[in-house]
Amino acid sequence: AQKVTQAQTEISVVEKEDVTLDCVYETRDTTYYLFWYKQPPSGELVFLIRRNSFDEQNEISGRYSWNFQKSTSSFNFTITASQVVDSAVYFCALSVLTQGGSEKLVFGKGMKLTVNP
Amino acid sequence: NAGVMQNPRHLVRRRGQEARLRCSPMKGHSHVYWYRQLPEEGLKFMVYLQKENIIDESGMPKERFSAEFPKEGPSILRIQQVVRGDSAAYFCASSSPTGGAGTQYFGPGTRLLVL
Repeated sequence: AQKVTQAQTEISVVEKEDVTLDCVYETRDTTYYLFWYKQPPSGELVFLIRRNSFDEQNEISGRYSWNFQKSTSSFNFTITASQVVDSAVYFCALSVLTQGGSEKLVFGKGMKLTVNP
Repeated sequence: NAGVMQNPRHLVRRRGQEARLRCSPMKGHSHVYWYRQLPEEGLKFMVYLQKENIIDESGMPKERFSAEFPKEGPSILRIQQVVRGDSAAYFCASSSPTGGAGTQYFGPGTRLLVL
């Protein structure tokens, strides 16, 4: 089965703490994409990153960094020096081939991050 | 360069009524995907359409739900005889013919509330 597991359902931290959001996936595809999305209280989905399965380089973007480990099927997301505006639900997602040759996304259940001042 | 547009953003229906959700893909995109997010859950794939064709409806409930993407106009997700359990956020995404899930762009969602 192809699925995404976000074991943590809710985390609460104090501003300026670092926090890591875990994501483990299962897939039978050899080529796939992994994603992280942020859903703030307003409800829209904010795209954060897309990673191709052939690219295992870690990536840093400001206070965000991602650690892709194909050997452990994990794609973890770290927020450094968290801020109140980081409070949101974060989703990890995996692309899965569909009938018709295109792809759909399989999402984890999400992790609610609360950053307290 | 407008992104994916969905309307209405909020929709309230009474049990038994019909709900019509519209999605206009990004310019140049001919592939549309619908996802449903139940309260406190992640998004779940419902259906994938190309112009005038349903390609994959493996995530659609068997009854009351239908989707279309006509040659002209937006994609429509239609829910007949709504029940309280249909209350959810419905997201649409689009991609170009060559893009696939690697380049899916999401709309802002329609929040359906069934009273």
